[in-house]
Amino acid sequence: GESVGLHLPTLSVQEGDNSIINCAYSNSASDYFIWYKQESGKGPQFIIDIRSNMDKRQGQRVTVLLNKTVKHLSLQIAATQPGDSAVYFCAELGMDSSYKLIFGSGTRLLVRP
Amino acid sequence: EPEVTQTPSHQVTQMGQEVILRCVPISNHLYFYWYRQILGQKVEFLVSFYNNEISEKSEIFDDQFSVERPDGSNFTLKIRSTKLEDSAMYFCASREPGQGRGYTFGSGTRLTVV
Repeated sequence: GESVGLHLPTLSVQEGDNSIINCAYSNSASDYFIWYKQESGKGPQFIIDIRSNMDKRQGQRVTVLLNKTVKHLSLQIAATQPGDSAVYFCAELGMDSSYKLIFGSGTRLLVRP
Repeated sequence: EPEVTQTPSHQVTQMGQEVILRCVPISNHLYFYWYRQILGQKVEFLVSFYNNEISEKSEIFDDQFSVERPDGSNFTLKIRSTKLEDSAMYFCASREPGQGRGYTFGSGTRLTVV
C-alpha cells in the first residue's frame, strides 16, 4: 500500500549548523513531494516541494533532494536557527482527482542555542 | 496573506455527543479537506470535498462523520456520536484550483472526548 515514512524521530542540532531530515516513500506514482513544518499548536505549513521529474530544488535556506532510485526524500536546512525548531513532515501528493496528501510520521528538529 | 480559519480552537465533549467543527476556507479555493492528527502521530487524510460533494474519503471517515458546506463560506465536519478515540487535532485545508500542491491548512481544532 501507500506509505511515506521517516528515518529519525528526533534530530538535535547546534544553532548555525546545517540540518538534514530524511524521508522514505513507497508510492512512486506521485507527481509532487512536499515538506511541511508544524510548530506546536499550529497546522502544517508549506516549506518547499519538488516535482517528481526533478532531483533537487532550492529555496531560501532550504533544499529538497529527491532520489527516485531509492525512493528517498531529504530536506536540508542551512544555518539552522532556533525558529526552525518544529516537527517536519514529508508528504506525497496523491495522483487521484482529490489530490489528497499522504503524510509521513514526522521528525522533531531541536535547535540547541 | 489569506488564511484558513477554524473554530473552536479547543472543544471538550462527552462520549456519545455530537460535535461540529467549523472552518472558513480561503475564498477563491474550490477544494476542501479535513485531516486529523492523533497526539504524537502523523497527519491523516479524512475527506476531500469539491463541487458540493465528497470526492474521496478514507477508511476513518465512517458513517459517524459527515461534511457540509452550508453556505458560500463555511465548511463543517460533524461527528454524530463521539468516541474516545476521536480525540485528536482536526485540520481543515483548502486548495487553489488547478494547483495540486497549493494547500493551506488551518491551525486546527483540538477535540477531546471524555
